[in-house]
Amino acid sequence: AQTVTQSQPEMSVQEAETVTLSCTYDTSESDYYLFWYKQPPSRQMILVIRQEAYKQQNATENRFSVNFQKAAKSFSLKISDSQLGDAAMYFCAYRSRNSGNTPLVFGKGTRLSVIA
Amino acid sequence: DAMVIQNPRYQVTQFGKPVTLSCSQTLNHNVMYWYQQKSSQAPKLLFHYYDKDFNNEADTPDNFQSRRPNTSFCFLDIRSPGLGDAAMYLCATSIGGRNNQPQHFGDGTRLSIL
Repeated sequence: AQTVTQSQPEMSVQEAETVTLSCTYDTSESDYYLFWYKQPPSRQMILVIRQEAYKQQNATENRFSVNFQKAAKSFSLKISDSQLGDAAMYFCAYRSRNSGNTPLVFGKGTRLSVIA
Repeated sequence: DAMVIQNPRYQVTQFGKPVTLSCSQTLNHNVMYWYQQKSSQAPKLLFHYYDKDFNNEADTPDNFQSRRPNTSFCFLDIRSPGLGDAAMYLCATSIGGRNNQPQHFGDGTRLSIL
């Protein structure tokens, strides 16, 4: 079974600075998808960014980018120019590319605080 | 805007009194999920519907059941809530078989047990 580990329960960053949230995973599969979800306090969970394992190029979405190291099974999220609205729980998630509908496997999350 | 809507946002019930949480979606996704999320923890998948097919996770207690009368609606029934069932319950949807596509989540229902 696949597992996802987020080793930083809490992180903080100064507004306008850059922060990196770490995520490692364990799998025997060669093809899969990785996601970062953001869950603000009392608000819905939304997708931040996703990476397809067969793509070597790191995904980027505006201020959010990932460092995907397939051999190391690492998938960190970098937030540049941090804003107060970035404060949230961030969950790293894995999904198999197998046929059929496979479940998301979540990490335990990292709570990010942004300091004004 | 297409979305996933959960009602109510907050639900209080008594120990042992059945409760139903509802979820509707306008995305026309054929897969609907129910997750349980306890404070500062990752969401835990309870079960999901792929079209009309119900898929229960192995460790989901029998106390939890679900109904999906049509594509748009899905219900979570807790037959006899215990104190340990107090949690946030999240509904999500996705397009079946497109595992690279994200799941879309509702705002959640926070369930309290008295």
